[in-house]
Amino acid sequence: GQQVMQIPQYQHVQEGEDFTTYCNSSTTLSNIQWYKQRPGGHPVFLIQLVKSGEVKKQKRLTFQFGEAKKNSSLHITATQTTDVGTYFCAGRGSEKLVFGKGTKLTVNP
Amino acid sequence: EAEVAQSPRYKITEKSQAVAFWCDPISGHATLYWYRQILGQGPELLVQFQDESVVDDSQLPKDRFSAERLKGVDSTLKIQPAELGDSAMYLCASSPWTSVDTQYFGPGTRLTVL
Repeated sequence: GQQVMQIPQYQHVQEGEDFTTYCNSSTTLSNIQWYKQRPGGHPVFLIQLVKSGEVKKQKRLTFQFGEAKKNSSLHITATQTTDVGTYFCAGRGSEKLVFGKGTKLTVNP
Repeated sequence: EAEVAQSPRYKITEKSQAVAFWCDPISGHATLYWYRQILGQGPELLVQFQDESVVDDSQLPKDRFSAERLKGVDSTLKIQPAELGDSAMYLCASSPWTSVDTQYFGPGTRLTVL
C-alpha cells in the first residue's frame, strides 16, 4: 500500500539555524499537505502543494513539491523558539490521503 | 475564525466500558474525518464522511468502533467495548468541498483506558 516516509524523525537545532524536513512517497501523489502540531496541540494546516516542481513560501518557511510528485520538503530559515513542534506531511495517492510520522523539531534558545 | 469543536477534551474509562466522542465541524464543511493519533505517530484515518455518507471506513475496527453523522453536520464516534490499546488522541477534522484534502482539525479527545 501507499507509504509516506518522513525524515528525520527528530531534529534539534540552535535558534537561528536552518531546518529541513523531507517527505517521500512510495507512489506518485496528486497533492501534498503540510501541518504543524505544537506540543499538546492538534495539527494545524500550513499549505497545500499540487503542481509538479511547485515552490511556495510563507515568511521563513519554504515548501517544495518534487518534479516527479513523489517527494516534498519543508525548509525553515533562521529557526525561532516559536517553530517548535512536529511537522507532518500528508500525501494523496491514487486512493488515500496518508500522513507521515512527522519530524519533531526542538529549538535551543 | 471558525473552528472544529470536539468534546470531551479528556476521557478516562475502564476497559470493556463504552465511550463516545462528539465533533462539530466548521459550518458548511461537507467532509468530516475521524483520526486516531498515538503519541509520536501521525494521524491515522478511521472514517471519512461526505455529508451523511461514509466514504472510507476501511481502517475502522468495526467490531468495536462505530461512527455516524446522521444529519450531515455533527458526528459521533463510539467505542464499545474499550480496550487498553485504544488509549490515544482522537481527532476530528473537516474540509470544504472545494479542497477535501485541506483539513482543519479540532482540539481532539485524549482517551485513557485503564
